[in-house]
Order: sequence, then C-alpha cells, then structure tokens
Amino acid sequence: EVQLVESGGGLVQPGGSLRLSCAASGFSFSNYHMNWVRQAPGKGLEWISYIGSVSSTIYYADSVKGRFTISRDNARDSLYLQLNSLRAEDTAVYYCARATWDGASDFWGQGTLVTVSS
Amino acid sequence: DIQMTQSPSTLSASVGDRVTITCRASQSISTWLAWYQQKPGEAPKLLIYKASSLESGVPSRFSGSGSGTEFTLTIRSLQPDDFATYYCQQYHSYIRTFGQGTKVEIK
Repeated sequence: EVQLVESGGGLVQPGGSLRLSCAASGFSFSNYHMNWVRQAPGKGLEWISYIGSVSSTIYYADSVKGRFTISRDNARDSLYLQLNSLRAEDTAVYYCARATWDGASDFWGQGTLVTVSS
Repeated sequence: DIQMTQSPSTLSASVGDRVTITCRASQSISTWLAWYQQKPGEAPKLLIYKASSLESGVPSRFSGSGSGTEFTLTIRSLQPDDFATYYCQQYHSYIRTFGQGTKVEIK
C-alpha cells in the first residue's frame, strides 16, 4: 500500500525555520518525482515545489523561492522541505504528493500543519 | 505564470443532478490538466489526469474533457459522497498552478 507520512510541522515564530519530512513506503520511491503542496486555513491548494526522481530537476513557486529548499534521500525513501525566513502567510497544512508519469499527483500524505505566529 | 480560473466558486446541487465545473487556463496547456476532489480535513484525491483520463478506482460518473485553455469536469449523477471541493491543476508549466476551487454543496 502506498503511504506518505509527513512530519515536522509545528508552531514557529516569524523569521524562524522548520524542516518538514515525508516518509514514503509501499512503492519504489527513487523512481518517482515528488511535489510539496500547501493549503492555508480555509483556503485553496497552492503548489510550492517539485523535485525530480534523482534531484536533478527542482522547481519552486515564486512565493517560496529563496526561502524554502526541497531535497530527497532515496536511500531513506524520504522527501524534505526546509522552510527558512518564515512569515505569517506561510501558515498552512503542507502536503507531500507523489507525481505520476505525466505530472499529476496521484498519492498524497495526510499533511502537517505549520503555524507561524509570535 | 499560468493562471487557472474555475467557475463557479460554489455550486448548489441535489443528489442525482448532473454537475459541470469549468476550468480556464490563461494560456494553452494542451491536455496537461488534472482534477482533484477534497473533503474537509482530508488530503486531495486525484480524479482525472491528462484532462480526460479517469484515475484507477474513481467512479465512472466522473469525466473530464477539454484541451488548450478550456476544460470541464462533469459528474453525471451526483451522489452523497460527491459533496466536496474540486480543484483543477495544470502541469504544462513547471509552476504547477491550481484553480481556486469549486465547492459543491447540497441544495
């Protein structure tokens, strides 16, 4: 069974940092591209980052470029998102999602909540 | 960036109704479009990919169509389990933008 389990969320002050993790199981993680998507409370979905299967291709939304860093460890079947210089508007549930061959996201984790507040 | 605009934002419908949601792209995205369903407190679920391909396990009452800049998601006969929010997403561009969502409510 495909599973994606996010962790690392929590309460952080503005300007602070967090590292989110996504543990993958039930599929050959190293063969799949991955995405991070977030959802602010009561709002819609916002794609924020993509990483290719061997980390050779990485993309970011303009809203997080220069502050967030996506990475992966295929030996550990894990995806990461380093969040720096956090702002109140970064408050959201962060989802990791597996990308299909054509780019859609077919499996999603349950999400981890990041709250940026003083 | 490619902007995705869904309409309507909210839709009130009854069980058994045929429901259509529209998604428009600010530039051509060929058929690089997916539709997702999200229920409160849950992660999104992939329904349709490549504009019209039904994801495995998704009921056949869901269908997608369109290409270029205009796309539709149709639910043939709305079921109680279908009351949710629906999002389109383009993946033609490396910035993979979502529409703002369409909430399907009980009439």
